[in-house]
Amino acid sequence: EADIYQTPRYLVIGTGKKITLECSQTMGHDKMYWYQQDPGMELHLIHYSYGVNSTEKGDLSSESTVSRIRTEHFPLTLESARPSHTSQYLCASGSGGNANTGELFFGEGSRLTVL
Amino acid sequence: DAKTTQPTSMDCAEGRAANLPCNHSTISGNEYVYWYRQIHSQGPQYIIHGLKNNETNEMASLIITEDRKSSTLILPHATLRDTAVYYCIVRGYTGRRALTFGSGTRLQVQP
Repeated sequence: EADIYQTPRYLVIGTGKKITLECSQTMGHDKMYWYQQDPGMELHLIHYSYGVNSTEKGDLSSESTVSRIRTEHFPLTLESARPSHTSQYLCASGSGGNANTGELFFGEGSRLTVL
Repeated sequence: DAKTTQPTSMDCAEGRAANLPCNHSTISGNEYVYWYRQIHSQGPQYIIHGLKNNETNEMASLIITEDRKSSTLILPHATLRDTAVYYCIVRGYTGRRALTFGSGTRLQVQP
């Protein structure tokens, strides 16, 4: 079983609130990722990190921000949530050292609804 | 990373083999073929990956054609729990190593 955890699983908040989605992994993986997925739609990469103090924007533009102060922790923050941010956010991690390993481990997702 | 093409949906009878095709005609020599599945909006789950040889694990088999331009994921005895969206992804082993998900194949296993 993968050891990657996301909290909260479900969150309903009002417009303008600041929210942080937590993602933690205990596998010592250096690479971590955030994907966004609307119901019935494709997953889109919004942020990734190669390691501590490394963060990059993904393929889909997002108003969220991320930080990587510790290897195991990769939180995503929305400073002022809007209804357009309503979506599912999926966190993933993977090791980067071996060319033959490609497996990414995904959390169960955080489903955000902004009213 | 090379683009992949998969059928939008497929049906399979429970207990029968499910064969999911994927075309990746622009794959380059150092790119791997990965398969993931996503059950009802849970986080995607890794199934199998390969470079050019056929691969088998406890979940599935991966058959890659000799020219590497297409592959087939085989679930030997499909169960209702195998109903999911299956993603075929081609990716190299350098760079950010993120996975680019397309729309996948929605497999419905029928009782």
